[in-house]
Amino acid sequence: AQTVTQSQPEMSVQEAETVTLSCTYDTSESNYYLFWYKQPPSRQMILVIRQEAYKQQNATENRFSVNFQKAAKSFSLKISDSQLGDTAMYFCAFNSVGANNLFFGTGTRLTVIP
Amino acid sequence: GAGVSQSPSNKVTEKGKDVELRCDPISGHTALYWYRQSLGQGLEFLIYFQGNSAPDKSGLPSDRFSAERTGGSVSTLTIQRTQQEDSAVYLCASSLVGRAAGTGEQYFGPGTRLTVT
Repeated sequence: AQTVTQSQPEMSVQEAETVTLSCTYDTSESNYYLFWYKQPPSRQMILVIRQEAYKQQNATENRFSVNFQKAAKSFSLKISDSQLGDTAMYFCAFNSVGANNLFFGTGTRLTVIP
Repeated sequence: GAGVSQSPSNKVTEKGKDVELRCDPISGHTALYWYRQSLGQGLEFLIYFQGNSAPDKSGLPSDRFSAERTGGSVSTLTIQRTQQEDSAVYLCASSLVGRAAGTGEQYFGPGTRLTVT
């Protein structure tokens, strides 16, 4: 069974600072995708960043980057130069190739403090 | 807009009543997914459609829950004889192809918040 664990229910960061959100997962699959989704108060789930497990290079998207450690089954999200608009719930998600659905962690509520 | 839409945005119903939640996926997306998000929890998979058929219903929590999709587009999630534990946000997502043939990326709607009193 696939499981995704986010051990930080809440975090806060000062505006313009850097914050790292943790995620670990458990799978016996060798080929899969990992995602970070952002859910602001509007409830709309927005894809932040995606990582293919077969790629060793860490994905980056502007201020967002990941630290993907396949052997450790760890997939953390780093947000640089935090902005007030980054305040949201962040969900880590897993999807094995050929699977029908995403498996989600329980989320981390991030607050950016002005 | 071109995103996934859901209606209603919020629904309050009395225990024992039936409710229907609607999802309109992105045009051309063949795969459609329903998830449930309870307070303080992650998203729980309910059902997956490929076209009009539902090859995976494994997440439906009871036989009070059913879903259909017509014309390869709009989907309706129906909850019969609602219970208080059904209170949650119900999210719909769509993707261009199913079974992660592409990037595995799913696009989400804004959800329907269901409150059963």
